[in-house]
Amino acid sequence: AQSVTQPDIHITVSEGASLELRCNYSYGATPYLFWYVQSPGQGLQLLLKYFSGDTLVQGIKGFEAEFKRSQSSFNLRKPSVHWSDAAEYFCAVGPGHNAGKSTFGDGTTLTVKP
Amino acid sequence: GAVVSQHPSWVICKSGTSVKIECRSLDFQATTMFWYRQFPKQSLMLMATSNEGSKATYEQGVEKDKFLINHASLTLSTLTVTSAHPEDSSFYICSASRGQGAKWQPQHFGDGTRLSIL
Repeated sequence: AQSVTQPDIHITVSEGASLELRCNYSYGATPYLFWYVQSPGQGLQLLLKYFSGDTLVQGIKGFEAEFKRSQSSFNLRKPSVHWSDAAEYFCAVGPGHNAGKSTFGDGTTLTVKP
Repeated sequence: GAVVSQHPSWVICKSGTSVKIECRSLDFQATTMFWYRQFPKQSLMLMATSNEGSKATYEQGVEKDKFLINHASLTLSTLTVTSAHPEDSSFYICSASRGQGAKWQPQHFGDGTRLSIL
């Protein structure tokens, strides 16, 4: 069975500070990994994905994530957070051929202090 | 970019009524659409997958007679919550994808529908 754990329910950072959101996964085969962002009352937007190749992937809005197979992790990072980054972030793992079968983590709420 | 429109964004209705939620892909043909349910401060739970022209595939534990899904065209899927009760109150999100099968296609999410049953 596949599963995703996001250890941090809520993270607060100051604007301009760096950010790292943690994600650990369990998957029986080669994982396809995703990070999504959800603003309040809205759907999800794909930030980035990892299928294969370079383990450091770049996404939109200045985000990047690093796949570490040995640690079963796919942490999301951003060097300098902007107030507009405040949102809910979801990590997901699943089969690449069927995006809907992804399993989502419980999410991490990011608050950005001025 | 690909746009998915979900309507209505918020609905409040009395217990026992049926509610229909629409999910439209505005600028692409969605071979596959997904319906999720999200409880406050929780993750998305996949309810069902629908492919255009065929019956929806429901996830384990989801009542297919309660949550009717129709994917009649490549741009429209509907979720009908029949005889809704307060426990059905939730945030329902749809997503649409161009492809099915071996090749990955991104999901494009609607903005969700907040359903409140009184």
